[in-house]
Amino acid sequence: AQKVTQAQTEISVVEKEDVTLDCVYETRDTTYYLFWYKQPPSGELVFLIRRNSFDEQNEISGRYSWNFQKSTSSFNFTITASQVVDSAVYFCALSPNNQGGKLIFGQGTELSVKP
Amino acid sequence: DAGVTQSPTHLIKTRGQQVTLRCSPKSGHDTVSWYQQALGQGPQFIFQYYEEEERQRGNFPDRFSGHQFPNYSSELNVNALLLGDSALYLCASSLDRGRSNYGYTFGSGTRLTVV
Repeated sequence: AQKVTQAQTEISVVEKEDVTLDCVYETRDTTYYLFWYKQPPSGELVFLIRRNSFDEQNEISGRYSWNFQKSTSSFNFTITASQVVDSAVYFCALSPNNQGGKLIFGQGTELSVKP
Repeated sequence: DAGVTQSPTHLIKTRGQQVTLRCSPKSGHDTVSWYQQALGQGPQFIFQYYEEEERQRGNFPDRFSGHQFPNYSSELNVNALLLGDSALYLCASSLDRGRSNYGYTFGSGTRLTVV
């Protein structure tokens, strides 16, 4: 079975706090891609990062960082020094078998950053 | 550089009716995928079109059909609408390079309400 689980439905933090969004995936494919998308109230899914299954290096982009661990099938996303503008729903997604086909999304985590 | 454009943005239909949603992909993209996102859920893959043919299909009934035109734009048709079809319908475009996954650009979606 191919599945993405985001166990945290909602998270609420105060501005400047660090927050980690969890993502656990299931696939039997050896080649796959993992994604994180941000969905603001406007509805559009905004691409944040793509990671292939052969690259386990952690990545940092400004206040955002991602921790990919194949051993635990996890691809967690951390926002450092959160800001009100980070408030949105965040989705983790799996693209199995590197075929440019469908994305399998998790249920999403709604992040609320309060001033 | 225009991103993915979807029309209409909102639509209200009566149960049993038919609906057509439209999508223009990002400039330079040749592949279009459609997703259904129910309230509070992650997007679910409906199907993908490439070279004017349906290349992949998710677990959706035949009431859901689509089309891709020579200019790469696409339509999603839903027949015999059910109340459960109420959702945000997202279009995503990508560039097919030997079927490798180079990421997707999403539109803002069409909010369909069936009454």
